[in-house]
Amino acid sequence: DQQVKQNSPSLSVQEGRISILNCDYTNSMFDYFLWYKKYPAEGPTFLISISSIKDKNEDGRFTVFLNKSAKHLSLHIVPSQPGDSAVYFCAASGSGNEKLTFGTGTRLTIIP
Amino acid sequence: DSGVTQTPKHLITATGQRVTLRCSPRSGDLSVYWYQQSLDQGLQFLIQYYNGEERAKGNILERFSAQQFPDLHSELNLSSLELGDSALYFCASSRRTVEYTFGSGTRLTVV
Repeated sequence: DQQVKQNSPSLSVQEGRISILNCDYTNSMFDYFLWYKKYPAEGPTFLISISSIKDKNEDGRFTVFLNKSAKHLSLHIVPSQPGDSAVYFCAASGSGNEKLTFGTGTRLTIIP
Repeated sequence: DSGVTQTPKHLITATGQRVTLRCSPRSGDLSVYWYQQSLDQGLQFLIQYYNGEERAKGNILERFSAQQFPDLHSELNLSSLELGDSALYFCASSRRTVEYTFGSGTRLTVV
């Protein structure tokens, strides 16, 4: 049972444009959401997070939006840069649980 | 360098064998998590330890076991290995938050 879903395995975006990565979840007990970025041969690194009490969190070029009624979140990267090419994982936790549930990832390729 | 150290980086072994993966958490982190990433799969939670005690368990096979030692390093033991156990195994640590710091992983290949 995949509780966190990233339905797009891959995405290609022109450099300088906006990249939008999507994530859906099914567990209504999730109350904290995170995005991780992963380069080849490295572990995932934390990028940005959002609590369920907010609907938006911004950090530089990265913004995460949360739509609780739709159980959907998205990561916006603007402007996209070649160094943003990586696999992005959406993750969620809830009920004071420290365990993270991850999606299957979206491979983002920025085209110069 | 994330501060989380995993060894070895690569491991090739035969079916039926047993291996031990090691993880040293970031300094000061009491929680250690183990995740498995198989081909085209997300990160599947295996087990969490907090200050030496098992805190949470995921879909960890009975052939797999883990422990966290007094110095907080952790080991994941995989036995009676099967071809399907080939995967990337990640360790992460945290300080009572879900903002994990991951190691670079151990790539296990069972032949």
